[in-house]
Amino acid sequence: AQKVTQAQTEISVVEKEDVTLDCVYETRDTTYYLFWYKQPPSGELVFLIRRNSFDEQNEISGRYSWNFQKSTSSFNFTITASQVVDSAVYFCALRTSSASKIIFGSGTRLSIRP
Amino acid sequence: NAGVTQTPKFQVLKTGQSMTLQCAQDMNHEYMSWYRQDPGMGLRLIHYSVGAGITDQGEVPNGYNVSRSTTEDFPLRLLSAAPSQTSVYFCASSYGTGGGYTFGSGTRLTVV
Repeated sequence: AQKVTQAQTEISVVEKEDVTLDCVYETRDTTYYLFWYKQPPSGELVFLIRRNSFDEQNEISGRYSWNFQKSTSSFNFTITASQVVDSAVYFCALRTSSASKIIFGSGTRLSIRP
Repeated sequence: NAGVTQTPKFQVLKTGQSMTLQCAQDMNHEYMSWYRQDPGMGLRLIHYSVGAGITDQGEVPNGYNVSRSTTEDFPLRLLSAAPSQTSVYFCASSYGTGGGYTFGSGTRLTVV
């Protein structure tokens, strides 16, 4: 069975602080894909990153970085020097090669205070 | 390039009414899915399709029907609306088994 757990329901930090959003996944498949999506207050779902199970290299994109560790089944997302515009709900998701669907975690609501 | 188009954006139904939420994509994606989003519960999969003529149930399929007669369209039918179906509905599509989803803008449905 597939499962994605985002244990942090809500996080609130002051602007310019660094913040890490946790994501733990479960799957028995050896080939799978992990994703992060952002849902700003406007409600749309925005794709941030895709990672396959064979690529454990960390990724950095501007202030965003992702840490993928197969040993702990985690795919954590860090925002450096957070800004008010980062306020949103962030979803982690999992797709296995044997399944034709993406399973989402319950999301983490991130609030950045000025 | 329109991406994934959902209509309507807002809808109010009375209990027992039926309706169809429309979803169309112009990216020639094989995979399409419907999710519902409720507060604190993330996105839950209702139905999905891996190609024209093929559909399957997700986590919460009861009360909903789908069909996929063309690659482009994947409508979601509410057979007899209930207040528990009040939610935001998202349609999404992707290419291949490893692709991420492109989402529509959502339909906010209220059943009174």
